[in-house]
Amino acid sequence: SQELEQSPQSLIVQEGKNLTINCTSSKTLYGLYWYKQKYGEGLIFLMMLQKGGEEKSHEKITAKLDEKKQQSSLHITASQPSHAGIYLCGAFGAQKLVFGQGTRLTINP
Amino acid sequence: KAGVTQTPRYLIKTRGQQVTLSCSPISGHRSVSWYQQTPGQGLQFLFEYFSETQRNKGNFPGRFSGRQFSNSRSEMNVSTLELGDSALYLCASSTGGFTGELFFGEGSRLTVL
Repeated sequence: SQELEQSPQSLIVQEGKNLTINCTSSKTLYGLYWYKQKYGEGLIFLMMLQKGGEEKSHEKITAKLDEKKQQSSLHITASQPSHAGIYLCGAFGAQKLVFGQGTRLTINP
Repeated sequence: KAGVTQTPRYLIKTRGQQVTLSCSPISGHRSVSWYQQTPGQGLQFLFEYFSETQRNKGNFPGRFSGRQFSNSRSEMNVSTLELGDSALYLCASSTGGFTGELFFGEGSRLTVL
């Protein structure tokens, strides 16, 4: 079955700094989703990447998909307190969406 | 357009009891998926229903069951609760395609004492 590994598991950055979260798949990626979760709440869809080399941006968040490396990266530029939360990558495997363990992001003022 | 609604948001049960959680999907969505989220295991897929039929199932014991009604609303039931069932249960709806975006509810937080 497909497994997704995220790194780092947790990240503490100072407000205004840039950061990157990685998601590596054990199998070929045919599509990759990024979600954000505030603690104890539901998941909010950020973006979906479907093609190798594809890059999408939403406000200050950019995500890329590298099919050859079976990896996706999510980059936040000039981080803000509103970026704090848990970021999860997800991919379809065996007709269901599987998720990585998540990366907990803390933004220090 | 109303989002995915889950009820109840919070509940406390004791070991051995059973619980039923409800999920109302976005209007027009025919697929409902259920996930269990715990600090140790992360997000684990429970099952997915599409047009009242269970289309996919995760690796959970038979104590976990679900169903979907003709209006696409779904319920999941956990019988003979165990301490380890304490978790956030998330429901997600979609149009039904296997690569479509999932829209999540706020979740039902279950505490088993």
